[in-house]
Amino acid sequence: GESVGLHLPTLSVQEGDNSIINCAYSNSASDYFIWYKQESGKGPQFIIDIRSNMDKRQGQRVTVLLNKTVKHLSLQIAATQPGDSAVYFCAENFSGGYNKLIFGAGTRLAVHP
Amino acid sequence: DGGITQSPKYLFRKEGQNVTLSCEQNLNHDAMYWYRQDPGQGLRLIYYSQIVNDFQKGDIAEGYSVSREKKESFPLTVTSAQKNPTAFYLCASSIGGLLAKNIQYFGAGTRLSVL
Repeated sequence: GESVGLHLPTLSVQEGDNSIINCAYSNSASDYFIWYKQESGKGPQFIIDIRSNMDKRQGQRVTVLLNKTVKHLSLQIAATQPGDSAVYFCAENFSGGYNKLIFGAGTRLAVHP
Repeated sequence: DGGITQSPKYLFRKEGQNVTLSCEQNLNHDAMYWYRQDPGQGLRLIYYSQIVNDFQKGDIAEGYSVSREKKESFPLTVTSAQKNPTAFYLCASSIGGLLAKNIQYFGAGTRLSVL
């Protein structure tokens, strides 16, 4: 596969377990946040987003939690499947002049059978 | 199918050569972006365009150039001035405008290597 994320932090989980991927963001003025999933050799794929006036948002098998006090974002994946193996990026949207996405370095999720 | 198409998937550049990466979208999005991705790093913004015939430098624009003559197209040229061009290049688009969510949708990427 492509060498995206050679030195990224890795989270290893067993198939069927729940996964929690964490992200620290940088700007208190960011107004919403996005999680992306990137499989090897592919472009990032939108998973879920959350506005800064919310603490929690749920999607299909995924939940995003936002803690503005400590500028922390997490992505929870329920009943993790082998197809969830990928690199996950958080991105914060900073509306400083134009909408700019600032991406984190990413976390690799490895799901073992 | 609606989406963003990047071509080629793999590209090789010789010393002193300019190469152009193609990005086409049929999502009717106003905004388009180019990012560079290196191993172990997040995406870094090269150039962006909020509307046709207008574009702005991102964080790492040196050695790159773009044009936005059509709404659906945003080609990126990697010039000979870019001394370390080997990377994975990603094009994205979004609806655009400050009132809309800036959810960016990505193409499949172009991997550029130096011969």
